[in-house]
Amino acid sequence: AQTVTQSQPEMSVQEAETVTLSCTYDTSENNYYLFWYKQPPSRQMILVIRQEAYKQQNATENRFSVNFQKAAKSFSLKISDSQLGDTAMYFCAFMRLAGNNRKLIWGLGTSLAVNP
Amino acid sequence: DTEVTQTPKHLVMGMTNKKSLKCEQHMGHRAMYWYKQKAKKPPELMFVYSYEKLSINESVPSRFSPECPNSSLLNLHLHALQPEDSALYLCASSQNMGDRTLTTNTGELFFGEGSRLTVL
Repeated sequence: AQTVTQSQPEMSVQEAETVTLSCTYDTSENNYYLFWYKQPPSRQMILVIRQEAYKQQNATENRFSVNFQKAAKSFSLKISDSQLGDTAMYFCAFMRLAGNNRKLIWGLGTSLAVNP
Repeated sequence: DTEVTQTPKHLVMGMTNKKSLKCEQHMGHRAMYWYKQKAKKPPELMFVYSYEKLSINESVPSRFSPECPNSSLLNLHLHALQPEDSALYLCASSQNMGDRTLTTNTGELFFGEGSRLTVL
Protein backbone atom coordinates (compact mmCIF):
# COMPACT_ATOMS: atom_id res chain seq x y z
CA ALA A 1 0.00 0.00 0.00
CA GLN A 2 1.11 3.51 -0.69
CA THR A 3 1.70 6.04 2.07
CA VAL A 4 2.50 9.75 2.05
CA THR A 5 4.30 11.44 4.94
CA GLN A 6 4.50 15.14 5.65
CA SER A 7 6.77 15.54 8.66
CA GLN A 8 6.11 19.23 9.32
CA PRO A 9 2.62 19.80 10.80
CA GLU A 10 3.18 23.56 11.02
CA MET A 11 5.61 26.01 9.49
CA SER A 12 5.98 29.75 9.30
CA VAL A 13 7.91 32.06 7.04
CA GLN A 14 8.39 35.79 6.68
CA GLU A 15 6.88 37.51 3.69
CA ALA A 16 9.23 37.57 0.68
CA GLU A 17 11.36 34.73 2.01
CA THR A 18 11.65 31.15 0.73
CA VAL A 19 10.24 28.09 2.45
CA THR A 20 10.42 24.37 1.67
CA LEU A 21 7.75 21.87 2.65
CA SER A 22 8.79 18.24 2.80
CA CYS A 23 6.96 15.16 1.57
CA THR A 24 8.08 11.56 1.34
CA TYR A 25 6.12 8.63 0.03
CA ASP A 26 6.35 4.90 -0.09
CA THR A 27 5.35 2.84 -3.12
CA SER A 28 6.43 -0.10 -5.19
CA GLU A 29 4.83 1.43 -8.29
CA ASN A 30 6.93 2.87 -11.08
CA ASN A 31 4.34 5.06 -12.77
CA TYR A 32 2.49 7.61 -10.72
CA TYR A 33 1.66 11.28 -10.25
CA LEU A 34 2.53 13.45 -7.29
CA PHE A 35 0.63 16.58 -6.37
CA TRP A 36 0.75 19.50 -4.00
CA TYR A 37 -2.66 20.92 -3.16
CA LYS A 38 -3.28 24.16 -1.29
CA GLN A 39 -6.30 24.87 0.92
CA PRO A 40 -6.46 28.48 2.20
CA PRO A 41 -8.55 29.14 5.32
CA SER A 42 -12.25 28.79 4.46
CA ARG A 43 -11.48 28.55 0.77
CA GLN A 44 -11.41 25.76 -1.74
CA MET A 45 -8.67 23.26 -2.34
CA ILE A 46 -6.67 23.99 -5.47
CA LEU A 47 -3.82 22.28 -7.27
CA VAL A 48 -0.47 23.99 -6.83
CA ILE A 49 1.79 21.75 -8.84
CA ARG A 50 1.90 18.30 -10.37
CA GLN A 51 4.80 15.94 -11.17
CA GLU A 52 4.76 12.89 -13.40
CA ALA A 53 7.10 10.22 -12.05
CA TYR A 54 8.52 9.34 -15.45
CA LYS A 55 9.71 12.92 -15.99
CA GLN A 56 13.11 13.68 -14.50
CA GLN A 57 12.72 17.43 -14.81
CA ASN A 58 11.31 19.08 -11.71
CA ALA A 59 7.96 20.81 -12.21
CA THR A 60 7.71 24.56 -11.69
CA GLU A 61 4.74 26.93 -11.58
CA ASN A 62 5.79 30.56 -11.13
CA ARG A 63 6.99 30.89 -7.50
CA PHE A 64 6.33 27.21 -6.76
CA SER A 65 8.79 24.47 -7.63
CA VAL A 66 9.41 20.92 -6.53
CA ASN A 67 12.48 18.86 -5.80
CA PHE A 68 11.53 15.39 -6.99
CA GLN A 69 13.93 12.65 -5.97
CA LYS A 70 12.43 9.42 -7.29
CA ALA A 71 15.01 7.06 -5.83
CA ALA A 72 14.68 8.67 -2.41
CA LYS A 73 10.87 8.89 -2.80
CA SER A 74 10.95 12.53 -1.86
CA PHE A 75 8.82 15.35 -3.26
CA SER A 76 9.41 18.68 -1.54
CA LEU A 77 7.72 21.97 -2.43
CA LYS A 78 9.65 25.23 -2.51
CA ILE A 79 7.77 28.51 -2.31
CA SER A 80 9.88 31.50 -3.32
CA ASP A 81 9.10 35.12 -2.47
CA SER A 82 6.36 34.04 -0.04
CA GLN A 83 3.21 36.14 -0.04
CA LEU A 84 0.50 36.56 2.58
CA GLY A 85 -1.89 34.75 0.26
CA ASP A 86 0.27 31.64 0.49
CA THR A 87 -1.00 31.11 4.04
CA ALA A 88 -2.82 27.77 3.81
CA MET A 89 -2.81 24.06 4.50
CA TYR A 90 -0.62 22.29 1.97
CA PHE A 91 -1.29 18.65 1.21
CA CYS A 92 1.04 16.33 -0.66
CA ALA A 93 -0.75 13.55 -2.56
CA PHE A 94 0.13 10.44 -4.57
CA MET A 95 -1.81 8.80 -7.39
CA ARG A 96 -0.88 5.47 -8.93
CA LEU A 97 -1.44 5.14 -12.68
CA ALA A 98 -1.91 1.38 -12.94
CA GLY A 99 -5.50 0.23 -13.18
CA ASN A 100 -8.66 2.24 -13.66
CA ASN A 101 -9.26 3.41 -10.09
CA ARG A 102 -6.89 6.25 -9.42
CA LYS A 103 -7.49 7.21 -5.81
CA LEU A 104 -5.46 9.99 -4.25
CA ILE A 105 -3.39 9.06 -1.20
CA TRP A 106 -3.01 12.14 0.97
CA GLY A 107 -0.40 13.28 3.47
CA LEU A 108 -1.58 14.77 6.75
CA GLY A 109 -0.79 18.28 5.60
CA THR A 110 1.45 21.19 6.60
CA SER A 111 -0.10 24.38 7.92
CA LEU A 112 1.93 27.26 6.54
CA ALA A 113 1.68 30.76 7.97
CA VAL A 114 3.26 33.65 6.06
CA ASN A 115 3.98 36.51 8.44
CA PRO A 116 4.12 40.17 7.41
CA ASP B 1 -15.72 27.12 -16.86
CA THR B 2 -13.45 25.38 -14.35
CA GLU B 3 -15.80 25.48 -11.40
CA VAL B 4 -17.33 22.89 -9.17
CA THR B 5 -20.35 24.40 -7.46
CA GLN B 6 -21.66 23.07 -4.16
CA THR B 7 -24.88 23.95 -2.35
CA PRO B 8 -25.66 24.75 0.35
CA LYS B 9 -22.49 26.32 1.74
CA HIS B 10 -23.69 25.79 5.30
CA LEU B 11 -26.21 23.32 6.70
CA VAL B 12 -27.40 22.72 10.23
CA MET B 13 -29.57 19.69 10.82
CA GLY B 14 -30.94 17.59 13.62
CA MET B 15 -30.32 13.91 13.94
CA THR B 16 -33.78 13.04 12.63
CA ASN B 17 -33.71 15.34 9.61
CA LYS B 18 -33.32 14.41 5.96
CA LYS B 19 -31.29 16.81 3.83
CA SER B 20 -29.24 16.73 0.63
CA LEU B 21 -25.98 18.24 -0.53
CA LYS B 22 -25.65 19.10 -4.20
CA CYS B 23 -22.70 19.42 -6.54
CA GLU B 24 -22.51 20.50 -10.16
CA GLN B 25 -19.73 20.74 -12.74
CA HIS B 26 -19.78 21.67 -16.42
CA MET B 27 -16.25 20.73 -17.40
CA GLY B 28 -17.29 17.50 -19.09
CA HIS B 29 -15.61 15.48 -16.36
CA ARG B 30 -16.73 11.88 -16.04
CA ALA B 31 -15.55 11.18 -12.50
CA MET B 32 -17.09 12.85 -9.45
CA TYR B 33 -16.16 12.45 -5.81
CA TRP B 34 -17.49 13.06 -2.32
CA TYR B 35 -14.96 13.69 0.44
CA LYS B 36 -15.41 14.37 4.15
CA GLN B 37 -12.90 16.69 5.78
CA LYS B 38 -12.35 17.52 9.43
CA ALA B 39 -10.48 20.66 10.43
CA LYS B 40 -6.74 20.64 9.66
CA LYS B 41 -6.98 17.09 8.28
CA PRO B 42 -6.73 15.73 4.74
CA PRO B 43 -9.93 14.87 2.88
CA GLU B 44 -11.29 11.35 3.41
CA LEU B 45 -12.72 9.74 0.32
CA MET B 46 -16.34 8.62 0.66
CA PHE B 47 -17.67 7.84 -2.83
CA VAL B 48 -16.57 7.99 -6.45
CA TYR B 49 -18.81 7.96 -9.49
CA SER B 50 -17.22 7.08 -12.80
CA TYR B 51 -19.35 7.56 -15.92
CA GLU B 52 -22.41 7.97 -13.67
CA LYS B 53 -21.90 4.61 -11.99
CA LEU B 54 -20.81 4.17 -8.39
CA SER B 55 -17.21 3.05 -8.65
CA ILE B 56 -15.95 3.35 -5.09
CA ASN B 57 -17.75 3.26 -1.74
CA GLU B 58 -15.24 3.54 1.08
CA SER B 59 -17.43 1.61 3.53
CA VAL B 60 -19.47 4.70 4.29
CA PRO B 61 -22.44 4.25 6.69
CA SER B 62 -25.79 3.94 4.95
CA ARG B 63 -27.03 7.19 6.50
CA PHE B 64 -25.05 8.76 3.62
CA SER B 65 -26.58 7.96 0.24
CA PRO B 66 -24.96 9.23 -2.96
CA GLU B 67 -26.74 9.80 -6.23
CA CYS B 68 -25.49 10.78 -9.67
CA PRO B 69 -28.51 11.84 -11.78
CA ASN B 70 -26.34 12.74 -14.80
CA SER B 71 -22.74 13.43 -15.74
CA SER B 72 -22.86 16.99 -14.36
CA LEU B 73 -24.66 16.46 -11.06
CA LEU B 74 -23.82 14.68 -7.85
CA ASN B 75 -25.96 14.56 -4.73
CA LEU B 76 -25.35 13.31 -1.22
CA HIS B 77 -28.52 12.44 0.69
CA LEU B 78 -28.26 12.65 4.47
CA HIS B 79 -30.54 10.92 6.95
CA ALA B 80 -30.31 10.18 10.67
CA LEU B 81 -26.83 11.65 10.98
CA GLN B 82 -24.79 11.73 14.16
CA PRO B 83 -22.98 14.71 15.69
CA GLU B 84 -19.65 13.15 14.70
CA ASP B 85 -20.72 13.51 11.07
CA SER B 86 -20.28 17.26 11.41
CA ALA B 87 -17.57 18.21 8.91
CA LEU B 88 -16.81 19.94 5.64
CA TYR B 89 -18.11 17.87 2.73
CA LEU B 90 -16.16 18.39 -0.45
CA CYS B 91 -17.22 17.54 -3.95
CA ALA B 92 -14.58 17.12 -6.64
CA SER B 93 -14.41 16.12 -10.27
CA SER B 94 -11.75 14.87 -12.65
CA GLN B 95 -11.58 13.95 -16.32
CA ASN B 96 -12.04 10.31 -15.45
CA MET B 97 -10.73 7.60 -13.15
CA GLY B 98 -8.06 6.27 -15.41
CA ASP B 99 -9.21 5.86 -18.97
CA ARG B 100 -6.04 4.69 -20.70
CA THR B 101 -7.25 6.07 -24.01
CA LEU B 102 -7.32 9.58 -22.62
CA THR B 103 -3.69 10.59 -22.91
CA THR B 104 -4.44 14.12 -21.76
CA ASN B 105 -5.71 12.95 -18.38
CA THR B 106 -3.70 14.92 -15.85
CA GLY B 107 -5.19 13.25 -12.80
CA GLU B 108 -6.05 16.65 -11.35
CA LEU B 109 -9.06 16.93 -9.08
CA PHE B 110 -11.12 20.12 -9.15
CA PHE B 111 -12.76 20.86 -5.82
CA GLY B 112 -15.81 22.82 -4.83
CA GLU B 113 -15.78 25.16 -1.85
CA GLY B 114 -17.52 22.57 0.27
CA SER B 115 -20.66 22.33 2.35
CA ARG B 116 -20.07 22.82 6.05
CA LEU B 117 -22.42 20.49 7.90
CA THR B 118 -23.32 20.75 11.57
CA VAL B 119 -25.38 17.97 13.14
CA LEU B 120 -27.06 18.87 16.41
